[in-house]
Amino acid sequence: DADVTQTPRNRITKTGKRIMLECSQTKGHDRMYWYRQDPGLGLRLIYYSFDVKDINKGEISDGYSVSRQAQAKFSLSLESAIPNQTALYFCATSDPGRGLYNEQFFGPGTRLTVL
Amino acid sequence: AQKITQTQPGMFVQEKEAVTLDCTYDTSDQSYGLFWYKQPSSGEMIFLIYQGSYDEQNATEGRYSLNFQKARKSANLVISASQLGDSAMYFCAMSPALNAGNNRKLIWGLGTSLGVNP
Repeated sequence: DADVTQTPRNRITKTGKRIMLECSQTKGHDRMYWYRQDPGLGLRLIYYSFDVKDINKGEISDGYSVSRQAQAKFSLSLESAIPNQTALYFCATSDPGRGLYNEQFFGPGTRLTVL
Repeated sequence: AQKITQTQPGMFVQEKEAVTLDCTYDTSDQSYGLFWYKQPSSGEMIFLIYQGSYDEQNATEGRYSLNFQKARKSANLVISASQLGDSAMYFCAMSPALNAGNNRKLIWGLGTSLGVNP
């Protein structure tokens, strides 16, 4: 079984709809991240959480919110989806106790299309 | 500001040949880590290799090696004996050391698209 899972894997929705992307991990990591990937723009950080009570905005948090329901679960919500939020979304985890550097492990991604 | 630059948007290599993917970085930190990730067309992001700034030896993982030149601030990925399955996007990333007090996130390059020709 995959260590980091994301649901759904693909989603098509309409402008104005509320969407939730879910991420679960079995790696036991405290740190979790949400990224979006757009062609030519690379990976951009939306939100990150270092533990259940610690949630921080990344570089492009506008239009998004998150919830860290448990150590293993980190959800990303688009309150009112718009077409320029069409992208590939990744969840990632890391554990500072396992190494000196912030190596991250990624989920398989969610491909979101907003019409 | 910390930055990662990958100057090769796309490149091709012949199967079984070696290829070098360039990565230069900018940081004022003394302690940091450098990473390479692979993203095949299926979309998943796969960790390949990492190098710590104080590591004296270049990192190697199977057919992957990292040509680390600290004075030049470069961390090029070398893939030996290319295979068709190596066709993918490759991303270079950098992280401050976790004890550096600024361990918030990885800094990412824009990626290099590698195609392997049979």
